[in-house]
Amino acid sequence: QQQVKQSPQSLIVQKGGISIINCAYENTAFDYFPWYQQFPGKGPALLIAIRPDVSEKKEGRFTISFNKSAKQFSLHIMDSQPGDSATYFCASEVSSNTGKLIFGQGTTLQVKP
Amino acid sequence: ETGVTQTPRHLVMGMTNKKSLKCEQHLGHNAMYWYKQSAKKPLELMFVYNFKEQTENNSVPSRFSPECPNSSHLFLHLHTLQPEDSALYLCASSQDPFLNYGYTFGSGTRLTVV
Repeated sequence: QQQVKQSPQSLIVQKGGISIINCAYENTAFDYFPWYQQFPGKGPALLIAIRPDVSEKKEGRFTISFNKSAKQFSLHIMDSQPGDSATYFCASEVSSNTGKLIFGQGTTLQVKP
Repeated sequence: ETGVTQTPRHLVMGMTNKKSLKCEQHLGHNAMYWYKQSAKKPLELMFVYNFKEQTENNSVPSRFSPECPNSSHLFLHLHTLQPEDSALYLCASSQDPFLNYGYTFGSGTRLTVV
């Protein structure tokens, strides 16, 4: 079964630091790579997404870096804040034009004040 | 409010009970999904509905039975569940079933089977 492998499982960062979460995918036909943020008691919320025609996408303090040849993509959170403490999931489309997503295992981020 | 509402938020049921989870989206989306979220596991896709038609059953046991009466409502009917079915059940919707613009998730129903 196709997978998306996410690491690390948990991450502790000091306030103001950079948080980096990595994902690797298997299928070169995947063409949509979102990141979701989930706070306790809430469902995941779309944070930022990228398509493979670009190598980087930035929205505020959040950046996705995409390496098509390595089949990897990562989320960078600059100037991490305690309010960023949450669980982050990467995902990719199961196959082109299906709208179905498979998710990584999740990374629990704690930003210490 | 995310635009996707799930009820109830919490549910405790015995293994012989029958209950239903409800999902409603107010976004005008055409695709709806059920996912299961268990501790230490990735979100597992259960069912996909596109334009009210079921297009995916991801090898889900028959004790889970989905229903989509219209594009705005999605149900998950539960019967004779097992303790290992305890999890957070998430409903999501997306604008277009064939183009990915991201999902909108509800807050989930926390199900405990006793």
